Amino acid sequence: SYVLTQPPSVSVAPTQTARITCGANNIGTKSVHWYQQKPGQAPVLVVYNDNNRPSGIPERFSGSNSGNTATLTISRVEAGDEADYHCQVWDRDSDFVFGTGTKVTVL
Amino acid sequence: EVQLVESGGGLVQPGGSLRLSCAASGFTLSTYFMHWVRQAPGKGLEYVSSITSNGDNTYYANSVKGRFTISRDKSNNTLSLQMGSLRAEDMAVYYCARSRYSGSYFLEYWGQGTLVSVSS
Repeated sequence: SYVLTQPPSVSVAPTQTARITCGANNIGTKSVHWYQQKPGQAPVLVVYNDNNRPSGIPERFSGSNSGNTATLTISRVEAGDEADYHCQVWDRDSDFVFGTGTKVTVL
Repeated sequence: EVQLVESGGGLVQPGGSLRLSCAASGFTLSTYFMHWVRQAPGKGLEYVSSITSNGDNTYYANSVKGRFTISRDKSNNTLSLQMGSLRAEDMAVYYCARSRYSGSYFLEYWGQGTLVSVSS
C-alpha cells in the first residue's frame, strides 16, 4: 500500500513560515490535498491539487509537490494556525490515503 | 449551505453492531461520491468506505471489508454505515464526507463526526 510520511510535529514562531512535508515514492506524480484539523473539530480542506486554495482559505496557505515530497507552506503564521495537518492522495487502487499527520505548534 | 450531520455513535461491546447515519442538507446526496473516514483517539485519519453517486459501486478499506456496509437512502438524503463484528480497533470518531473530483478526489465537506466506542 502507498504510505505518506509526515513529521509528527513542527514548531514555528508567529509571523514566521511553517513548512510541513508529506513524503512518498514519486508523490510528485500524484495530486496532493491538505487538511487542517483543530482540536475537537472536523478536518477542513486548505489546499487541493497540490497548490489550489478553496474559497475562504487565506493566501498564506500554499502547496508544492515534486519528486518524493509534497509541502504545505504556511506564511506569516498566526496563533490560529495551530492545528494538526494531514496530507492525502487518491488513486484507483488505494482509494483515499492519508498521511500520518503533523501537529503544528505556534510558539 | 452544505451540511453533513452524523449520528448513531455510542458504546458497543466487542462483536456487536452499530448503524451510523449522516444526514445531508444543501445538496442532493445521490449526485455525489460519498465517504466515511475515521480517526482513532490520538491518531491520524483513516479511510473506511465509499459509495458512488448512483449507488452501484461501493468500496471498503481492507480493515473493514466483510464487516461494514455503506448505503444511502435517496428519500431521506442520508448516508449510512452498518458496522458489524466490531473490534476494539474500530473505536474512533467516524466522519462522513463529500468529495469533489478535479483530476483527483479530495474531501470538500465533512460532518462533525460521531464517536464509536468498543468496550466490554
